Amino acid sequence: GENVEQHPSTLSVQEGDSAVIKCTYSDSASNYFPWYKQELGKRPQLIIDIRSNVGEKKDQRIAVTLNKTAKHFSLHITETQPEDSAVYFCAAIDSWGKLQFGAGTQVVVTP
Amino acid sequence: GAGVSQSPRYKVAKRGQDVALRCDPISGHVSLFWYQQALGQGPEFLTYFQNEAQLDKSGLPSDRFFAERPEGSVSTLKIQRTQQEDSAVYLCASSQYGQGESQPQHFGDGTRLSIL
Repeated sequence: GENVEQHPSTLSVQEGDSAVIKCTYSDSASNYFPWYKQELGKRPQLIIDIRSNVGEKKDQRIAVTLNKTAKHFSLHITETQPEDSAVYFCAAIDSWGKLQFGAGTQVVVTP
Repeated sequence: GAGVSQSPRYKVAKRGQDVALRCDPISGHVSLFWYQQALGQGPEFLTYFQNEAQLDKSGLPSDRFFAERPEGSVSTLKIQRTQQEDSAVYLCASSQYGQGESQPQHFGDGTRLSIL
């Protein structure tokens, strides 16, 4: 089955700097890669996703890149703000339509 | 509805009791998923429904866990004879289309279950 690894587990950045989170996956048949943001006690919220026929996608300060050959994808947050502080999860959809999540990255943005 | 709704938000039960958790997906969504999220971990798949059909229950930890979606909308996850290791947040997610479509899954706020 699909296995998703996520790094780093914690990330501390100064406000205004960039944050990068990296994930790798094992199932070459995976074709959809969403990213979720989860604040304490709240639901995972979809912030961006990418399909396998695209190498990069951008939405304002958030971008995701996908390298299908290497089976890795990354989340980039530019000009970080305190409200970006949360846990971020990458995920990959397996051939049965199930999401396999990474272990999460705790992002702390310090003013 | 506007989003996925789950109830109750919090549930405390004594070990050995049965519990039932409810999920109301986004109206018209075909697919419904249940996940279990332990503290500090990512969500782990439990089971999947396409309309009323339970197509995948490979993630259910034991036969104490049972899920249903009899009319293809609201779903209930039932845990019998609860044990302390069942303590977790139980998340429900729905998506618009059926299996085989790579599509966003929208999550509810979850039910935080604590077993004493």
